[in-house]
Amino acid sequence: EPEVTQTPSHQVTQMGQEVILRCVPISNHLYFYWYRQILGQKVEFLVSFYNNEISEKSEIFDDQFSVERPDGSNFTLKIRSTKLEDSAMYFCASKGPIQGVDQPQHFGDGTRLSIL
Amino acid sequence: TQLLEQSPQFLSIQEGENLTVYCNSSSVFSSLQWYRQEPGEGPVLLVTVVTGGEVKKLKRLTFQFGDARKDSSLHITAAQPGDTGLYLCKGTNAGKSTFGDGTTLTVKP
Repeated sequence: EPEVTQTPSHQVTQMGQEVILRCVPISNHLYFYWYRQILGQKVEFLVSFYNNEISEKSEIFDDQFSVERPDGSNFTLKIRSTKLEDSAMYFCASKGPIQGVDQPQHFGDGTRLSIL
Repeated sequence: TQLLEQSPQFLSIQEGENLTVYCNSSSVFSSLQWYRQEPGEGPVLLVTVVTGGEVKKLKRLTFQFGDARKDSSLHITAAQPGDTGLYLCKGTNAGKSTFGDGTTLTVKP
């Protein structure tokens, strides 16, 4: 069964550095998402992306975050000038290709980001 | 801001017992999903409900969406140790998704 893959599985970065988290969504999906989960807390929506632009974003998704679909297969989340509080599991999800409220989002296994 | 309150937060039961997990909000959702998450892995979709009053069954799991589409429940019959895990509800409206806090279920043999 096709699945969403995320790399790396764990990234350790110094505070202030930029990180890029990578996701390969399911190949025929058109809707893409990023979520984060701080250790011991709930999963939080960051951003949704469709047709090469952001559809929705949460209050968490401020100017230090950006997303990109640089080619036909990858979907990336960039965090500029990371902060300690950015340490979390980051999940990518994809949905589609059919538009509809009952289409499920499929999640990757996440990237654990640790900021030192 | 859409909030989803999930209860209970922790649940520990014996094998064979029944249990219900609740997900409540003051907001209306166009759809609601239930996920199960294992440690170190991403959430895995169990079910999606979209119609008020809808009931869906998945083996020993029964999911219900409230008539007003503001709440949902997950009922597990005759729980087994393999049901142990974190159960998450997620409501979606206008393209935004909100997760509940999760229910950590432990089923003891």
